[in-house]
Amino acid sequence: EPEVTQTPSHQVTQMGQEVILRCVPISNHLYFYWYRQILGQKVEFLVSFYNNEISEKSEIFDDQFSVERPDGSNFTLKIRSTKLEDSAMYFCASREGSSTPPQFFGPGTRLTVL
Amino acid sequence: AQSVTQLDSQVPVFEEAPVELRCNYSSSVSVYLFWYVQYPNQGLQLLLKYLSGSTLVKGINGFEAEFNKSQTSFHLRKPSVHISDTAEYFCAVSTLIQGAQKLVFGQGTRLTINP
Repeated sequence: EPEVTQTPSHQVTQMGQEVILRCVPISNHLYFYWYRQILGQKVEFLVSFYNNEISEKSEIFDDQFSVERPDGSNFTLKIRSTKLEDSAMYFCASREGSSTPPQFFGPGTRLTVL
Repeated sequence: AQSVTQLDSQVPVFEEAPVELRCNYSSSVSVYLFWYVQYPNQGLQLLLKYLSGSTLVKGINGFEAEFNKSQTSFHLRKPSVHISDTAEYFCAVSTLIQGAQKLVFGQGTRLTINP
């Protein structure tokens, strides 16, 4: 069964450093998402991406964040200058099409900012 | 805007007992409803979904949920739980409007099954 994959599973970085989190969505899916879950809190929407552009973003997704689909398979989230409060589990998700609502999630990348 | 409230942050249950995890939502437009499960150190797995039609939906692992529009609820139930059901359960909604259809999650309910 096809699944969403994410790398790395755990990333440790120093405050102020740039990180790139990688995701490979399910191959025939058209909509892509990033969510995050700070320890002990709810899962929060960050950004959605469709047709090579951001379709919606939350207030969390400020200028320090960017997303890209550099090729036909990868979907990346970049944090330019990490802060302590960026420490969280980041989930990538994908959805097949406009009439197929369920989003399928990857296993997540745990980001720890020191 | 949509919001989701899961009324119980933790639910301890004995093995083979029934369980109900409560979820209420708020939205000015029609929504799709979902339950996701997160096993320890794993990602989010879709348990079941309500898109339209019958208000009682069945999912994986013997779980079911009932959509109640008048009470804006989507409670999750299982008649007999197993140790392996120990996990965090998240209720989520998205709008029917074309476009991003981002998911809005509840705070999660930690289900602990005791032998």
